[in-house]
Amino acid sequence: SQTIHQWPATLVQPVGSPLSLECTVEGTSNPNLYWYRQAAGRGLQLLFYSVGIGQISSEVPQNLSASRPQDRQFILSSKKLLLSDSGFYLCAWRPKTTGGNTEAFFGQGTRLTVV
Amino acid sequence: GENVGLHLPTLSVQEGDNSIINCAYSNSASDYFIWYKQESGKGPQFIIDIRSNMDKRQGQRVTVLLNKTVKHLSLQIAATQPGDSAVYFCAEKTSGGYNKLIFGAGTRLAVHP
Repeated sequence: SQTIHQWPATLVQPVGSPLSLECTVEGTSNPNLYWYRQAAGRGLQLLFYSVGIGQISSEVPQNLSASRPQDRQFILSSKKLLLSDSGFYLCAWRPKTTGGNTEAFFGQGTRLTVV
Repeated sequence: GENVGLHLPTLSVQEGDNSIINCAYSNSASDYFIWYKQESGKGPQFIIDIRSNMDKRQGQRVTVLLNKTVKHLSLQIAATQPGDSAVYFCAEKTSGGYNKLIFGAGTRLAVHP
């Protein structure tokens, strides 16, 4: 069976510090990978998605970047965190299918607090 | 579009009643829809999905209705239980953007005993 791991679960970082959140998927190959952000009490905002190694699509211009160095590894980074980067970050994967009519499977999330 | 800047509306129901959660989508090219449930501090969990060639789909205690004419999606939960208390999101995928799932703003369901 497929599983998705996301870490750390919680993180408190000072303003101006770097960020690296990691997500890995097991039990599947060549998945589509996603990073979403959720502000407190709000909806999910798509930040980045990737259809393959080294292929990153950015949805929202911002202080963050994403990388996919391996097929089942997706990393969210920042060189200098802002207070506004605080939120709940969710990694997700979807299998590739003709037509793309498949659900996304989510990790348990990382709660980031920038202080 | 993504309503990520809006505070979540809340639907309060009594235990045992039926719940109806609504979602409006804006893209007439969307052809696949999903309902997710998110409990506090956790990632969203799949509930049920529906393709645009259908107008109704039923699962265990849940029914999704799709009205393409007015671009409206609803989730009906029968005999709502306290464990159903969570935030519910609809998500849509456009026929041309099959790599992306875009989420709605979400609705908080509060079930009272």
